[in-house]
Amino acid sequence: GAVVSQHPSRVICKSGTSVKIECRSLDFQATTMFWYRQFPKQSLMLMATSNEGSKATYEQGVEKDKFLINHASLTLSTLTVTSAHPEDSSFYICSAKDSFTNEQFFGPGTRLTVL
Amino acid sequence: KQEVTQIPAALSVPEGENLVLNCSFTDSAIYNLQWFRQDPGKGLTSLLLIQSSQREQTSGRLNASLDKSSGRSTLYIAASQPGDSATYLCAVPQGAQKLVFGQGTRLTINP
Repeated sequence: GAVVSQHPSRVICKSGTSVKIECRSLDFQATTMFWYRQFPKQSLMLMATSNEGSKATYEQGVEKDKFLINHASLTLSTLTVTSAHPEDSSFYICSAKDSFTNEQFFGPGTRLTVL
Repeated sequence: KQEVTQIPAALSVPEGENLVLNCSFTDSAIYNLQWFRQDPGKGLTSLLLIQSSQREQTSGRLNASLDKSSGRSTLYIAASQPGDSATYLCAVPQGAQKLVFGQGTRLTINP
């Protein structure tokens, strides 16, 4: 199957700093990528839909100024958690939708811990 | 609004048994349905994608069925192995874009 990578896989930061997470589709083009967060033993919660070349669409309750999304190319989307706080600690997962098959492929996730 | 439910929430069976995981969805107007596997602390691995025009898909020991009219899908795992232990998630698109996930079934295969 298609491969989606995320970087970094794990990050620990101090409260108040910003953290950028990259999501790349390695062998296919993705006009649409998605960002999720997952709390322990819970399912994925969609945060935003990232469209190449346009503004992201955020789900209700997700602060767009806190979670900045950039999708500058057909293979790369970034999520920046600005002024991170301990409550932002979570597992962040991206997915990329294959433009031809509409199948979604997920990255391995990024574990964010804010001290 | 699409809602997805998975039953059971957890399942523990001896190695070698065949088993069925269930997924139901409230809005039958779907393009496709995907089954995923998630290992602890890891991302999701796509197992099977069933298009709305299909009734089932097979990959190795896995077989997924889809009954749109009743809003149900099943994932059948044959001859289960300890390596099959994971959380299994089903998901359907809401509209043309985002996926709606079930809460998952936590599967444990005992050697």
